[in-house]
Amino acid sequence: DAGVTQSPTHLIKTRGQHVTLRCSPISGHKSVSWYQQVLGQGPQFIFQYYEKEERGRGNFPDRFSARQFPNYSSELNVNALLLGDSALYLCASNPQGTTSTDTQYFGPGTRLTVL
Amino acid sequence: AQSVSQHNHHVILSEAASLELGCNYSYGGTVNLFWYVQYPGQHLQLLLKYFSGDPLVKGIKGFEAEFIKSKFSFNLRKPSVQWSDTAEYFCVARGNQAGTALIFGKGTTLSVSS
Repeated sequence: DAGVTQSPTHLIKTRGQHVTLRCSPISGHKSVSWYQQVLGQGPQFIFQYYEKEERGRGNFPDRFSARQFPNYSSELNVNALLLGDSALYLCASNPQGTTSTDTQYFGPGTRLTVL
Repeated sequence: AQSVSQHNHHVILSEAASLELGCNYSYGGTVNLFWYVQYPGQHLQLLLKYFSGDPLVKGIKGFEAEFIKSKFSFNLRKPSVQWSDTAEYFCVARGNQAGTALIFGKGTTLSVSS
């Protein structure tokens, strides 16, 4: 079975631009979460979606938004990019998102560089 | 505030040495704990997890971790490391309510020399 997939692998943008990152969860998983990993730090939670509804949001500005589609894939959008948005963006999926014993499975990430 | 603290930023060991990576967490309420590993060029993978029950949990590749509630700790151990264990290790906490986010430590880079 395919794992979590993300696209694109790498992306270079300039300050002020907009970016859209995409994620496809493991087949059968209904919940998707997004994390930002800055170099030298652990991943930080941005959003969680379950059944197309936002279930959790981390401490990120409104420039960050996301959505989940009927096929459970997800997009992360970042507007008005800043240099500090340069990071590895990780997507994780888990089967339900409604039970505490769910385990999250991570994708390979999208490396975003903002110049 | 909820947080996870990993004691070591970079650990260097020779093959066959024993490993212990320290992790302490600060979390109100019942907590679930994980160790994730990221091998060079690969994505994050789950090593082991603790939800409840036996505080000594065993994971893949010979790793184990012990949950000590009184010390708010969840240290990772392996009796004898191999060169292939070279990776970055993350201690992770999560509340036991559905939908709560994973909180990562900053990670420990383990370098094993052959």
